[in-house]
Amino acid sequence: GEDVEQSLFLSVREGDSSVINCTYTDSSSTYLYWYKQEPGAGLQLLTYIFSNMDMKQDQRLTVLLNKKDKHLSLRIADTQTGDSAIYFCAERPAGGGNKLTFGTGTQLKVEL
Amino acid sequence: NAGVTQTPKFRVLKTGQSMTLLCAQDMNHEYMYWYRQDPGMGLRLIHYSVGEGTTAKGEVPDGYNVSRLKKQNFLLGLESAAPSQTSVYFCASSYRASGLTEAFFGQGTRLTVV
Repeated sequence: GEDVEQSLFLSVREGDSSVINCTYTDSSSTYLYWYKQEPGAGLQLLTYIFSNMDMKQDQRLTVLLNKKDKHLSLRIADTQTGDSAIYFCAERPAGGGNKLTFGTGTQLKVEL
Repeated sequence: NAGVTQTPKFRVLKTGQSMTLLCAQDMNHEYMYWYRQDPGMGLRLIHYSVGEGTTAKGEVPDGYNVSRLKKQNFLLGLESAAPSQTSVYFCASSYRASGLTEAFFGQGTRLTVV
């Protein structure tokens, strides 16, 4: 079955880069996503990568995909206090319903 | 734009009580989902629907029922609440498409069963 794993916590200083890692198991996944959840709120799509890509850059965000190792990472450059949130990676396995399988979430804490 | 709206936002139930969580979306999405979020476990899919009148089981369906009588609404029912169902519940919806599809989430319902 599908299984998506992330480390639970990450603490960085403001201005440093943050790297959040994720491993997944379903090689049929077509899209991989990063969602952000701020305190008391729902999840919002942050960025995504198609499975035939190995990198995607979007302003301060860089997504790296190693399909061979089934490893996904999200790098946030110049991390700000407003980036403090829980970050979820999610995969969309092949099959009906466009269902997403989420990781456990990584709590990012940005310190001054 | 309302997007995905969940009601209620908070609820405390006694063990054995029943309740229904309502999810409404105004984006004309075909697909709708109910997830539960627990610490250290991420989001787990309870049930989902690929269209009006259809429902399907997700990863953790036991103890829950759902209905999709109207395209814009997806109801999650707990017939006899248990403390293990204490969680934050999220509804989401998305278009039916084979390409990139973004799931839009509601704000969540925090349910405590005592």
